[in-house]
Amino acid sequence: GENVEQHPSTLSVQEGDSAVIKCTYSDSASNYFPWYKQELGKRPQLIIDIRSNVGEKKDQRIAVTLNKTAKHFSLHITETQPEDSAVYFCAATPMAGNMLTFGGGTRLMVKP
Amino acid sequence: GAVVSQHPSWVICKSGTSVKIECRSLDFQATTMFWYRQFPKQSLMLMATSNEGSKATYEQGVEKDKFLINHASLTLSTLTVTSAHPEDSSFYICSARDSGGLNTEAFFGQGTRLTVV
Repeated sequence: GENVEQHPSTLSVQEGDSAVIKCTYSDSASNYFPWYKQELGKRPQLIIDIRSNVGEKKDQRIAVTLNKTAKHFSLHITETQPEDSAVYFCAATPMAGNMLTFGGGTRLMVKP
Repeated sequence: GAVVSQHPSWVICKSGTSVKIECRSLDFQATTMFWYRQFPKQSLMLMATSNEGSKATYEQGVEKDKFLINHASLTLSTLTVTSAHPEDSSFYICSARDSGGLNTEAFFGQGTRLTVV
């Protein structure tokens, strides 16, 4: 089955700096890669996703890059704000299937 | 966006009792729903895949007789924790994706915090 590794487990940045979270996956059949933000005690919320037919996707301050050859994808947050502080999870799944395999999560702390 | 509603949001029960958690897709049909368990400061671990009209598929290490899953309709899946013990205390969260569309986004319920005393 799929195995998703995520690094770092914790990340502390100063407000306004950029944050980068990296994930690797094992199943070459995976071709949908969402990123979720989870605040304490709440449900994960999708913030951005990327499919295997593109290498990069951007939405305002958030961008995701995908390298299918190397089987890794990354989340980039620019101009970080204190409200970006949360736990971020990457995930991977084959398009034909439904099950998401999650990375271990990254606790992002943005210091004002 | 699509909405997945999960109830209850929290429950406290005594050891040995059973607890039922409901997961509903409110504005779409889901032939498949997923149940995850999340321990504090850890990731979401898939417990089982709930299939409408058929048996659930359990992940390795998850006891199917302890975590009963029923998916009787295209909008409702239930997870029953039977004979609950303190080690079952956790955050349980369901997820569903729209079976009828091309959108592959997974929507999550608000989660259920189970405390077994």
